[in-house]
Amino acid sequence: AQSVAQPEDQVNVAEGNPLTVKCTYSVSGNPYLFWYVQYPNRGLQFLLKYITGDNLVKGSYGFEAEFNKSQTSFHLNKPSALVSDSALYFCAVRELVGGYNKLIFGAGTRLAVHP
Amino acid sequence: NAGVMQNPRHLVRRRGQEARLRCSPMKGHSHVYWYRQLPEEGLKFMVYLQKENIIDESGMPKERFSAEFPKEGPSILRIQQVVRGDSAAYFCASSPPQGSNYGYTFGSGTRLTVV
Repeated sequence: AQSVAQPEDQVNVAEGNPLTVKCTYSVSGNPYLFWYVQYPNRGLQFLLKYITGDNLVKGSYGFEAEFNKSQTSFHLNKPSALVSDSALYFCAVRELVGGYNKLIFGAGTRLAVHP
Repeated sequence: NAGVMQNPRHLVRRRGQEARLRCSPMKGHSHVYWYRQLPEEGLKFMVYLQKENIIDESGMPKERFSAEFPKEGPSILRIQQVVRGDSAAYFCASSPPQGSNYGYTFGSGTRLTVV
């Protein structure tokens, strides 16, 4: 079965500093990887995806993620954090199930950006 | 172009009552997925449906939970005889006919509280 792991429950960053939210994956075949963000009392919003092509993927709100096949990682980055980036971030991988597919999510990482 | 619509946003039920959660997918989306988010936990897959078909219900509890996506109308997640442990946020997502290769669109969720 496909899976993703988010090793950090929480990440704390000062505003203006770069941020990284980590994700590693375990898949058979080529991975389809996603990042979503959840603001308090809201649903999940799509940030970015990797399917094929360039290893560096640019997404919404200035976020980007780097696909690293040798390290089986797909870490989320942003050069300069904003207080408004504080939210819950989920990494996800597509799982194929008998010709159909669904997304499997990590446990989530809570990002806190301090002024 | 309305997104994924879930209602109600908040639902309070007494133990033993039934909860019915509704999800209308985005226009043109024929795949619906239900996820559950327990307090301080990540998203857990419950069930994947297409119109009139349950494709994957591997994440559904064996008893009291059921889901449907009729030919007409919204998808319904039904929880019979609710218990306190059912208190959670339930999210619905939809995707176009080609499936989740390109990610999902999530609704804002229904927050179920069992008292």
